[in-house]
Amino acid sequence: NAGVTQTPKFRVLKTGQSMTLLCAQDMNHEYMYWYRQDPGMGLRLIHYSVGEGTTAKGEVPDGYNVSRLKKQNFLLGLESAAPSQTSVYFCASVRDGVEETQYFGPGTRLLVL
Amino acid sequence: RKEVEQDPGPFNVPEGATVAFNCTYSNSASQSFFWYRQDCRKEPKLLMSVYSSGNEDGRFTAQLNRASQYISLLIRDSKLSDSATYLCVVNMREYGNKLVFGAGTILRVKS
Repeated sequence: NAGVTQTPKFRVLKTGQSMTLLCAQDMNHEYMYWYRQDPGMGLRLIHYSVGEGTTAKGEVPDGYNVSRLKKQNFLLGLESAAPSQTSVYFCASVRDGVEETQYFGPGTRLLVL
Repeated sequence: RKEVEQDPGPFNVPEGATVAFNCTYSNSASQSFFWYRQDCRKEPKLLMSVYSSGNEDGRFTAQLNRASQYISLLIRDSKLSDSATYLCVVNMREYGNKLVFGAGTILRVKS
């Protein structure tokens, strides 16, 4: 039981390049989330999903897209990376709308040059 | 105004000290409250939930005041291993179980 995993752990991109961050959970959780964490700002919600095939915008969705084609996976895409997207990205999951404990992945550090 | 506000610190305390962190939240629709702990370059992990009646887990005591929209965390007999960033978190359950995070308070416990 690996919990929540994220790939890659670290990536350097040039401005304008695209990439996809993968989040996978093996706990059969319904809800999944993508956050970014920047110094002095805490974690901010980018997008979230309340079930397979559904996605919704969070607090800072611009410049990102997501997909939840399989229940266990939640993908975060950057179509054209910008330096402002340099951040640490965390994925999290929770069992359902009643359970409140979110389980976080180890994070992906992204540097956009 | 930020939805969840915390004193960023850092709080530098000696081992064995008692330290208290405070947090305020702006949205009265917030339904559940938590303290998370985050070690350097690691993911946040749940430390404890916060209830109106106050709750205690070993050396940690959390308190919620809904009328004042205020949350606190008290750590007694600080250990070196308590050094971390403590995140105040509220849950907006009606919005997809969404968590709103404070920026965190840094605690450094020194020998």
